[in-house]
Amino acid sequence: GAVVSQHPSRVICKSGTSVKIECRSLDFQATTMFWYRQFPKQSLMLMATSNEGSKATYEQGVEKDKFLINHASLTLSTLTVTSAHPEDSSFYICSAGEGQIPTDTQYFGPGTRLTVL
Amino acid sequence: GENVEQHPSTLSVQEGDSAVIKCTYSDSASNYFPWYKQELGKGPQLIIDIRSNVGEKKDQRIAVTLNKTAKHFSLHITETQPEDSAVYFCAASKGKTGANSKLTFGKGITLSVRP
Repeated sequence: GAVVSQHPSRVICKSGTSVKIECRSLDFQATTMFWYRQFPKQSLMLMATSNEGSKATYEQGVEKDKFLINHASLTLSTLTVTSAHPEDSSFYICSAGEGQIPTDTQYFGPGTRLTVL
Repeated sequence: GENVEQHPSTLSVQEGDSAVIKCTYSDSASNYFPWYKQELGKGPQLIIDIRSNVGEKKDQRIAVTLNKTAKHFSLHITETQPEDSAVYFCAASKGKTGANSKLTFGKGITLSVRP
């Protein structure tokens, strides 16, 4: 299957700082990537859909000015958590659909554990 | 919108036995149903998927069945092994483009395989 990577795998930051998380499709191109958030022992919550070359589409209740998404190329999407606070601590996971042809199959990255002190 | 329900929330089986996990969905327009396995601290891994034009799909010890009339689909794992212990999520989506490709996830089930 297709491989998706994320960097960093873990990050600890102070309250008020910004953190950038990268999501890369390693062996395929992805027109669309998705960003999820997962709290302990809970399901995945979709935050936004990242489209290459255009603005991201955010889910209801997700602050677009707080969670900045950039999908500058067909293999890279970034999520920046701005002015992070302890309540932003979570497991952030991205997924990508393989290829430039529309697809329903999503492959997930390994996730990034964010801890805000 | 789509609502995916997954039950039971936990399942414990003896090694070598079979495990069946069921999910129901609410939107009859959904046509793609993947299953993901998530180990602690890792991202979800796609283990099998099925589309609405197929009633059953099998891959070695894993199979998925779909009943479009009843709007439910099930994951079947045979000859379970301790390494099958994980959280399993079912999901559904309505297509391949834009908002239709968004996945709606069930709450997950923790499968424990007792040695």
